Amino acid sequence: DQQVKQNSPSLSVQEGRISILNCDYTNSMFDYFLWYKKYPAEGPTFLISISSIKDKNEDGRFTVFLNKSAKHLSLHIVPSQPGDSAVYFCAAGRGSSGSARQLTFGSGTQLTVLP
Amino acid sequence: GAVVSQHPSWVICKSGTSVKIECRSLDFQATTMFWYRQFPKQSLMLMATSNEGSKATYEQGVEKDKFLINHASLTLSTLTVTSAHPEDSSFYICSAPLRLGRETQYFGPGTRLLVL
Repeated sequence: DQQVKQNSPSLSVQEGRISILNCDYTNSMFDYFLWYKKYPAEGPTFLISISSIKDKNEDGRFTVFLNKSAKHLSLHIVPSQPGDSAVYFCAAGRGSSGSARQLTFGSGTQLTVLP
Repeated sequence: GAVVSQHPSWVICKSGTSVKIECRSLDFQATTMFWYRQFPKQSLMLMATSNEGSKATYEQGVEKDKFLINHASLTLSTLTVTSAHPEDSSFYICSAPLRLGRETQYFGPGTRLLVL
């Protein structure tokens, strides 16, 4: 049972345009969400996160939107650059305060930004 | 930013041998670390939570006797794949939160294991 789903395995976008990566979750206990970027044979690199008490968080070219009622989050990258080409994972966390949180990952979306 | 290292980055071994993978937090202390594995074109699957000074917590379906975890210090956790078989070939990644209660986890570069 996949608790975090990324239904699009791949996405191609022209350089300079907006990239929108989507993620859905089923477990209402998740209260923290993150996006990671991953290159082949490397560990994931943290991009941006959002707490369930917010609906938007912005960091430079990256914005994450959270719709709790729909259990949906999205990552917007604008403008997209060829160097953004990678696999993007969304992850969801839950856990009690003061303890390290386990993360559940989606299956990833391969983003290709075309020059 | 926080740095997590893993060693080795690549391992090729014969079936039946044991392989040890180290995960280190380089500029912070990590009382908890997480071990994941990733098969090709699949997501990262949490295997276990490594706790400094106590036993690791394993996810359902992960054999604790096969994947031995030792969190000997505040900066080092090791994963030993015992009696490795070809089906254990995978990409193993560790992660650590910067501080307890902080949600963002930093990942190591991963270890590619190939069992012949």
